[in-house]
Amino acid sequence: QKEVEQNSGPLSVPEGAIASLNCTYSDRGSQSFFWYRQYSGKSPELIMSIYSNGDKEDGRFTAQLNKASQYVSLLIRDSQPSDSATYLCAVKRNYGQNFVFGPGTRLSVLP
Amino acid sequence: ETGVTQSPTHLIKTRGQQVTLRCSSQSGHNTVSWYQQALGQGPQFIFQYYREEENGRGNFPPRFSGLQFPNYSSELNVNALELDDSALYLCASSSGGSGGAGETQYFGPGTRLLVL
Repeated sequence: QKEVEQNSGPLSVPEGAIASLNCTYSDRGSQSFFWYRQYSGKSPELIMSIYSNGDKEDGRFTAQLNKASQYVSLLIRDSQPSDSATYLCAVKRNYGQNFVFGPGTRLSVLP
Repeated sequence: ETGVTQSPTHLIKTRGQQVTLRCSSQSGHNTVSWYQQALGQGPQFIFQYYREEENGRGNFPPRFSGLQFPNYSSELNVNALELDDSALYLCASSSGGSGGAGETQYFGPGTRLLVL
């Protein structure tokens, strides 16, 4: 079982729709969760972080965390073609120094 | 922009050669992490440096080594390059290094290495 799993996609949604990206992780001791966006040929850029169960909203983005189910998701409301990118889920354990990344989900927002 | 810089942006080497990649961390950050990202995959942790000491290492062989300098900039050295080392090498800076839950990493633009 991989430590952090994501559907590789591509996930295609029409412009203006809600895009839902999912991530599961195996280490129950994980404390910090991050979503990064990566455009083709570029480096990852932080969208948001979440540490507590529940929802966290930032503009069009909402992160949802359920530690009991070991599940974290990212919702993008009013999706725009500029949101087309690969979305990386990263998990930081309660020990050790590194982030563990999932393989990423490729999102395509169709005009 | 994150304020994290990396050099060079692109590099072509041949198998068996050695390479040094450089990273300058964001102002106020004392921790640098290095990741390798192969095409179509998520970043894989190589190691982290905190206050000039290695502070954690992923599943990479000893031919991957690093340094951190007093100004918190860092180098990644790879000896005896192999074809599979072709990847995007990412540097991320953060403040802390203690493994705290609140630590957020900010990435530089990366160095794309091609080994022929």
